[in-house]
Amino acid sequence: NAGVMQNPRHLVRRRGQEARLRCSPVKGHSHVYWYRQLPEEGLKFMVYLQKENIIDESGMPKERFSAEFPKEGPSILRIQQVVRGDSAAYFCASSPQSQGSSVTEAFFGQGTRLTVV
Amino acid sequence: AQSVTQPDIHITVSEGASLELRCNYSYGATPYLFWYVQSPGQGLQLLLKYFSGDTLVQGIKGFEAEFKRSQSSFNLRKPSVHWSDAAEYFCAARRASGTYKYIFGTGTRLKVLA
Repeated sequence: NAGVMQNPRHLVRRRGQEARLRCSPVKGHSHVYWYRQLPEEGLKFMVYLQKENIIDESGMPKERFSAEFPKEGPSILRIQQVVRGDSAAYFCASSPQSQGSSVTEAFFGQGTRLTVV
Repeated sequence: AQSVTQPDIHITVSEGASLELRCNYSYGATPYLFWYVQSPGQGLQLLLKYFSGDTLVQGIKGFEAEFKRSQSSFNLRKPSVHWSDAAEYFCAARRASGTYKYIFGTGTRLKVLA
């Protein structure tokens, strides 16, 4: 039973290039969350998606960043024209759809460490 | 605004000593609470969680945490620290209904002296 899978684990991009980070949620989970962890900081919420819908993008930078979670395939976090300040660890989490009184937690992937040179 | 505060950025303890990491939250209603551990370059591992019920929660690796509503706190404890516990610890919270959007504290880096 695979957990949340993120790839690549490490990504190096030159300034101005595009970065694509992938997240495959736990099988059966329909909710995906992306978080960013800057060096020496905690995780900051970026965006919350359900299949084919963005539910909450209050933590996403206004420019260059986008996210999708298509009907088929993984969720993608896309960063266009990367800058050095985008260097960080990006974590994905997934959760099932809430059902009645069932309570559970989100499951986190191992993260993608983006380095912009 | 909702927030999670970890007042201690760094903590150093000797191996075998007891440990307490502090966490305070500010939410409109009592949230669900979590503690995660992160080793360098690694992902997050869930240590324990509190949803409701007994305010003393047992987790993995000998950790426990106590929820205190009156103090809006959820402090993590371990009676005897091992060198392998050196890592960064994050407290997190989310609303008890709806979204699984988590708010994380800034983390406490634990150093263990031999």
